[in-house]
Amino acid sequence: EGYLVESGGGLVQPGGSLRLSCAASGFTFSNFWMSWVRQSSEKGLEWVANIKQDGSETHYLDSVEARFTISRDNSNNLLYLQMTGLRAEDTAVYYCARDPWESSPIGGGFFDYWGQGALVTVSS
Amino acid sequence: EIVLTQSPATLSLSPGERATLSCRASQSVRSYLAWYQQKPGQAPRLLIFDASNRATGIPARFSGSGSGTDFTLTISSLEPEDFGVYYCQQRSNWPGLTFGGGTKVEI
Repeated sequence: EGYLVESGGGLVQPGGSLRLSCAASGFTFSNFWMSWVRQSSEKGLEWVANIKQDGSETHYLDSVEARFTISRDNSNNLLYLQMTGLRAEDTAVYYCARDPWESSPIGGGFFDYWGQGALVTVSS
Repeated sequence: EIVLTQSPATLSLSPGERATLSCRASQSVRSYLAWYQQKPGQAPRLLIFDASNRATGIPARFSGSGSGTDFTLTISSLEPEDFGVYYCQQRSNWPGLTFGGGTKVEI
């Protein structure tokens, strides 16, 4: 069974930066596409970004493209989300989530394991 | 962007009753639809993928049906632990994944 634990959330001013981390265990991290999904009261659940097993391919929600960067460290089973130029509308709980299919060349597009979430609040 | 509309917004039922939740897509998503359950303070939990396939460990009282633009999640006989919010999610135009707004099931 897989476990995902996010960290790095907090309060940041508009225009600021924050890096989220997600520690994975219980499965072969390097064999799975991984995603970040956020949830806010205003917009509900939103997929934010995903990354291929070896980090060679990434995709982003249009509204975060050029501001957020997803990356991974397969040696240490870690997933990251670097967020810059933060806006009030980025306020949300951010979840890391695992695609379900091991060694798939394309993302599965749904999520079988989720972390507990990290709260990011963008406010002055 | 594919928009998913869920109805009703809230469903108030008693244990043992049948729950029927609807998800409608703004364009065809073929069978690429998943359902999740979320309880307060918890992450979503995968129930159904590709319209009708139960995820590992999900009880048989949960079933999904539909294709194209209209989908249904059915809980055949509600248990007290089934309260929560249920979301649908499409992967038809991956990586442009989208979620519905949710249906709250009150026991």
